[in-house]
Amino acid sequence: EAGVAQSPRYKIIEKRQSVAFWCNPISGHATLYWYQQILGQGPKLLIQFQNNGVVDDSQLPKDRFSAERLKGVDSTLKIQPAKLEDSAVYLCASSIQGSLSGNTIYFGEGSWLTVV
Amino acid sequence: GESVGLHLPTLSVQEGDNSIINCAYSNSASDYFIWYKQESGKGPQFIIDIRSNMDKRQGQRVTVLLNKTVKHLSLQIAATQPGDSAVYFCAENIFGWGKLQFGAGTQVVVTP
Repeated sequence: EAGVAQSPRYKIIEKRQSVAFWCNPISGHATLYWYQQILGQGPKLLIQFQNNGVVDDSQLPKDRFSAERLKGVDSTLKIQPAKLEDSAVYLCASSIQGSLSGNTIYFGEGSWLTVV
Repeated sequence: GESVGLHLPTLSVQEGDNSIINCAYSNSASDYFIWYKQESGKGPQFIIDIRSNMDKRQGQRVTVLLNKTVKHLSLQIAATQPGDSAVYFCAENIFGWGKLQFGAGTQVVVTP
């Protein structure tokens, strides 16, 4: 079974520039998540989709971050304009559905962003 | 706010010994907990989970213990191997929506 696919793996941009990350979840997984992981910390949820609808985006900095999952399959996370503190790994994850136990959340390898 | 945290940031273990990684949580409403392993340059990998109606769950070489009285979670790794070197995160499932809150992580270093 193919895992969660993410691209690009690495990106270096200057502050105030924009960047987009793409994610393709495991086939059949209705729930898709974007997490931000700053070096030395645990992942922090940015946004959660159930099919093509947003379930939770309470920790998404909406002035600069946006995400979409138009057809309920793959998703794009965009940052515009980027700030230095956005340097982090952006992890995409998916699960069969977003409810309680039994629906393991699987993570991709992450997209590493460095803002200079 | 309520959070999940880890007691030890770094754990050095000799190859072949057992490892114990501890985690404290403060959200009494959480009823599902997961341990993830993250190797350098990779995404978190699911290890084992446990529901709050259980005290113990075993997997291959790993055991998770849950003490709801003191809100404590632990991961035991038997016969630790060099491939076990990684950062281990505990996470709690909040509000029944698969929304995970992660602790800061424990770096496990396996020495020969």
